[in-house]
Amino acid sequence: EAGVAQSPRYKIIEKRQSVAFWCNPISGHATLYWYQQILGQGPKLLIQFQNNGVVDDSQLPKDRFSAERLKGVDSTLKIQPAKLEDSAVYLCASSLDRGGFVAGGRSYNEQFFGPGTRLTVL
Amino acid sequence: GQQVMQIPQYQHVQEGEDFTTYCNSSTTLSNIQWYKQRPGGHPVFLIQLVKSGEVKKQKRLTFQFGEAKKNSSLHITATQTTDVGTYFCAVTGGGNKLTFGTGTQLKVEL
Repeated sequence: EAGVAQSPRYKIIEKRQSVAFWCNPISGHATLYWYQQILGQGPKLLIQFQNNGVVDDSQLPKDRFSAERLKGVDSTLKIQPAKLEDSAVYLCASSLDRGGFVAGGRSYNEQFFGPGTRLTVL
Repeated sequence: GQQVMQIPQYQHVQEGEDFTTYCNSSTTLSNIQWYKQRPGGHPVFLIQLVKSGEVKKQKRLTFQFGEAKKNSSLHITATQTTDVGTYFCAVTGGGNKLTFGTGTQLKVEL
């Protein structure tokens, strides 16, 4: 089974420029997440989609960040304009659905992460 | 928002020594997950704990969920160089929203 795909893997831009990241989740996974991971910290959820609807975007800086998931499959995350503090790894993850997969009668919420995009803002 | 603290922040051990990381929350948790992130890699799911006092083992890894469901621990017996990485606990909020802990970075020296 193919994992979560992300591109590009690395991106270097100057502040005030725009950048976009792409994510293709595992086939059949209804829920897609974008995380921001600053060096030395744990991932922080930016936005969560259920199919093509937004479930949670409470931590998304909406003045500069936007995300969409057209047709409930691929997703793009955009930053416009970028700031120095946006330098981080942007991780995309997916899960089967809001309840995760079911195994042995138990419901798991395992999220599968992609390799991430390392963004450097100069 | 929900916060989880992990201790220690860093741990250096000699290969063969044991390692433990602790995750603490001020609120009662519905469940807790553990992830491992290798240097330069992405988080990989290890396990989910749901029941009060639950203990699960995966080879040399032992996971515990506290009786009050406010804390959890991950213990590695006889560490190996392949155990190097950062271990995160993560708690689930509404809608399967994950809040990650601060992480414990493990380094294993030969």
